Amino acid sequence: DAEITQSPRHKITETGRQVTLACHQTWNHNNMFWYRQDLGHGLRLIHYSYGVQDTNKGEVSDGYSVSRSNTEDLPLTLESAASSQTSVYFCASSAGDGYEQYFGPGTRLTVT
Amino acid sequence: RKEVEQDPGPFNVPEGATVAFNCTYSNSASQSFFWYRQDCRKEPKLLMSVYSSGNEDGRFTAQLNRASQYISLLIRDSKLSDSATYLCVVTLEGYQKVTFGTGTKLQVIP
Repeated sequence: DAEITQSPRHKITETGRQVTLACHQTWNHNNMFWYRQDLGHGLRLIHYSYGVQDTNKGEVSDGYSVSRSNTEDLPLTLESAASSQTSVYFCASSAGDGYEQYFGPGTRLTVT
Repeated sequence: RKEVEQDPGPFNVPEGATVAFNCTYSNSASQSFFWYRQDCRKEPKLLMSVYSSGNEDGRFTAQLNRASQYISLLIRDSKLSDSATYLCVVTLEGYQKVTFGTGTKLQVIP
């Protein structure tokens, strides 16, 4: 069965370190997304991609970057982790515009 | 005014009850609407899309009211397994603007 996976599931890192969160989907979806979820804010869009070599900034993109070298993967990099980036991160994919999004299981990141 | 607003709840209802949630959105040009369900510490999962004509899936009914700019979710004959947080999602201009509500928590009690 097609799926979307994230790794690691839990990560503790120190302020200032670079961190990369992996997202891999086997749906063969063109569209992929990264969100963060914090109490009181709901899900907020960080970056998204409509296909290989395409990346776009979302609502809360400062301090984050993504790259899309193939259809299956959209890794999220925190350039220099900050305590404000402690959150739960969800990756999602969809078949196209207006279609539902399928979410990965999430990565719980703690920046100390 | 928030772009998407939901009553956070919690809604505590007995098994078998009917419960309804509303979600209001501020941008009249919003195009696509969805309800997702999220269990504690898990990923959101699509419950149903919301169409202009309204749609039903078993015990769940979703409605869209463009004039008043809200969507609704009705759950009939509530089950204990319906306990979760329900998120509404509004999209504008494709994925250039995807906004999630902060969710409404439902607790179905025996």
